Amino acid sequence: KAGVTQTPRYLIKTRGQQVTLSCSPISGHRSVSWYQQTPGQGLQFLFEYFSETQRNKGNFPGRFSGRQFSNSRSEMNVSTLELGDSALYLCASSFTGTSRIQYFGAGTRLSVL
Amino acid sequence: DQQVKQNSPSLSVQEGRISILNCDYTNSMFDYFLWYKKYPAEGPTFLISISSIKDKNEDGRFTVFLNKSAKHLSLHIVPSQPGDSAVYFCAASGGDSSYKLIFGSGTRLLVRP
Repeated sequence: KAGVTQTPRYLIKTRGQQVTLSCSPISGHRSVSWYQQTPGQGLQFLFEYFSETQRNKGNFPGRFSGRQFSNSRSEMNVSTLELGDSALYLCASSFTGTSRIQYFGAGTRLSVL
Repeated sequence: DQQVKQNSPSLSVQEGRISILNCDYTNSMFDYFLWYKKYPAEGPTFLISISSIKDKNEDGRFTVFLNKSAKHLSLHIVPSQPGDSAVYFCAASGGDSSYKLIFGSGTRLLVRP
């Protein structure tokens, strides 16, 4: 069974640009969550989607947004990039809407210059 | 306000000995706890979890202990192997955070041959 797949693995952008990251969950998983990992703040929750609905959102500015498609694939968008957005962005999926175990992808490393 | 704390940034143990990683939490609404292992440039890998209705859960060489009154959990690895060298994160969920994981800052474990 394939794991969580995130694309691209690496991205380099400049300040002010926008970026879209993609996540394909484990087959059959319907919940997708996004996290940001930075050296200073650690792993922080961005948002979670289940059946195309956002159920939870972390404390991030509105420049961070996401969506989930009917096949459970998810995308995350960051607009007007800032230097501080440089981070590893991790996607995780879980089997049902109530499952607490989340399985992570390898992440997308975003560098903002 | 850090709700999940891993106070030891690093730990070094001899191969074959026990590794004990500790984690404290402050939110009494947390009712599910997980441990993840992370290698550089990879996403976190789920190791083991425990519900608040239990005080111990075992899976092979890994055992997690939960002390609810002290709001403390620990991960024991016995025997430790060099391949266990990685960063270990504890995470918690529950209450209004049921669908998101709150992570500690991680402990880097080095198992010396």
